[in-house]
Amino acid sequence: KNEVEQSPQNLTAQEGEFITINCSYSVGISALHWLQQHPGGGIVSLFMLSSGKKKHGRLIATINIQEKHSSLHITASHPRDSAVYICAGTTGNQFYFGTGTSLTVIP
Amino acid sequence: NAGVTQTPKFQVLKTGQSMTLQCAQDMNHEYMSWYRQDPGMGLRLIHYSVGAGITDQGEVPNGYNVSRSTTEDFPLRLLSAAPSQTSVYFCASSYSRFRGNTIYFGEGSWLTVV
Repeated sequence: KNEVEQSPQNLTAQEGEFITINCSYSVGISALHWLQQHPGGGIVSLFMLSSGKKKHGRLIATINIQEKHSSLHITASHPRDSAVYICAGTTGNQFYFGTGTSLTVIP
Repeated sequence: NAGVTQTPKFQVLKTGQSMTLQCAQDMNHEYMSWYRQDPGMGLRLIHYSVGAGITDQGEVPNGYNVSRSTTEDFPLRLLSAAPSQTSVYFCASSYSRFRGNTIYFGEGSWLTVV
């Protein structure tokens, strides 16, 4: 069993829709990261959070420490948001990665 | 700042050949790591380093060597390439292992072993 589980694995949305990607983890972590990976490209850090909520533009990330759950929301989705979104928990030396959610936003 | 620089971007190797993937960061980060990414699987840790002269194994270290002679550089060596090592490799760094810090990735190296 993976220490970090993401859902859904694949997601297709119409442009403008509100999108939610979920992440649950079973290990004690000091922080949770949301990463974005475009096809054929590198990986970029979107958020790092250890409590509460963070917002950057149309992206919002939340974490519930007690429930060991985090969500990434995208408001007013756009085709350029199409990418793989990865959540990762860190305990210090180790990062535990989810397998990613592949998002396709259709114009 | 260049961030994390990883080379080469693409490489084809024959079974049994050796090669080195280079990784350098200019952010004075203590923590550096190598991952491989395979279809349907999350990023898997190969080796990591928490400072110059200190390295340790990750989840899938077999067939790979690393060294950390300077803070900036963390090369990954494939000793005798096998088809099972066909993958995308990412180098990553962050400021410190003790705090939750932003992680920076290189652009990836696509390796095919034939």
